[in-house]
Amino acid sequence: AQSVSQHNHHVILSEAASLELGCNYSYGGTVNLFWYVQYPGQHLQLLLKYFSGDPLVKGIKGFEAEFIKSKFSFNLRKPSVQWSDTAEYFCAVNLKAAGNKLTFGGGTRVLVKP
Amino acid sequence: NAGVMQNPRHLVRRRGQEARLRCSPMKGHSHVYWYRQLPEEGLKFMVYLQKENIIDESGMPKERFSAEFPKEGPSILRIQQVVRGDSAAYFCASSRLADTPPYNEQFFGPGTRLTVL
Repeated sequence: AQSVSQHNHHVILSEAASLELGCNYSYGGTVNLFWYVQYPGQHLQLLLKYFSGDPLVKGIKGFEAEFIKSKFSFNLRKPSVQWSDTAEYFCAVNLKAAGNKLTFGGGTRVLVKP
Repeated sequence: NAGVMQNPRHLVRRRGQEARLRCSPMKGHSHVYWYRQLPEEGLKFMVYLQKENIIDESGMPKERFSAEFPKEGPSILRIQQVVRGDSAAYFCASSRLADTPPYNEQFFGPGTRLTVL
């Protein structure tokens, strides 16, 4: 069955620390990859996406992600976090052969301490 | 340009009642998706619709749940005879197309939080 795994359920770090959130998927076909963020009390917002081309994708708010096809991974990174990055982060995958539905990982709650 | 609208934002029902959740897609979007987020879990796909047509309902529970997207008006997710296990956040998303990046990017609404007493 199709699945998306996010390695950490909770991450706590201090401001200015670097952040890396892992995401692995189990599909073998062509995929589109996404990271969404959900700030407290708000709806899901798209951080970045990968469809094709350069596997290093830059998104909003200083986030980037790298697609490593051989590892079926799409890890999210930010070199220096801010308190305002406190949120829940979701990795999502769209398997092209399965239509346009998204399969989400379980989410990672990130708490940035000031 | 308004985003995806969902109402109500919060809905409380007693066991056995019906719940109706509404979703108005972004202007120019003809595809609607419903996802459910159970407590402490990620979002799970439920159903994908175009106007007057269900494209993929592989994530819908077999009983009590139905969805529609009529020619006019919002998409409706209907849950009959609700049970406590239906308590969750229900998110709607919309896209312009279904198979052509970037036009198949999904934009999410704020969600409806359903509580079943």
